[in-house]
Amino acid sequence: AQSVAQPEDQVNVAEGNPLTVKCTYSVSGNPYLFWYVQYPNRGLQFLLKYITGDNLVKGSYGFEAEFNKSQTSFHLKKPSALVSDSALYFCAVRDRTTSGTYKYIFGTGTRLKVLA
Amino acid sequence: GAGVSQSPSNKVTEKGKDVELRCDPISGHTALYWYRQRLGQGLEFLIYFQGNSAPDKSGLPSDRFSAERTGESVSTLTIQRTQQEDSAVYLCASSLSRADTQYFGPGTRLTVL
Repeated sequence: AQSVAQPEDQVNVAEGNPLTVKCTYSVSGNPYLFWYVQYPNRGLQFLLKYITGDNLVKGSYGFEAEFNKSQTSFHLKKPSALVSDSALYFCAVRDRTTSGTYKYIFGTGTRLKVLA
Repeated sequence: GAGVSQSPSNKVTEKGKDVELRCDPISGHTALYWYRQRLGQGLEFLIYFQGNSAPDKSGLPSDRFSAERTGESVSTLTIQRTQQEDSAVYLCASSLSRADTQYFGPGTRLTVL
């Protein structure tokens, strides 16, 4: 079955330091992978996606993610964290169902806390 | 441009009452999704609409949950005879087509007392 795992419930990082939020997936076929961010009392905001092509994907707010097929990972990264990056981050994979529709499977989320 | 909107933003109800949650997708988006997010947990898929039809209802947790969409725009998620375990944030998302990126609304926080 298709699945997404975010092994860390919370990640703490000092402002200015690089950050990584981990995501691994299990899919059949070629994965479509996404990262979303959720700020307090807000809906999810799209950050970036990987469909095909370059393994390093750049997205909003200076975030990027690296697709690693051999490790089945799609970790989210940023070279220099800001306090304002503190939020809940979700990794998702798009799954094509047997009926031909698409379903998104979300990880459980990782809370990022950037400390001043 | 306008994003996905949801109403109400907060709903407090008593156990056993029915509630209706509304989603207005981005104009022109044919695909619409409903999710549930319980406190401290990830997103749980409920139902997907393509146009006015719902090809995937597999995530609806019980027959107390239903949803409809009219005119390829507004969707309503109805929960009948609410239970305390229904308390959650209900998120709606829309996309241009079924294969495109989803854009989320701010959610409706439902509290069942």
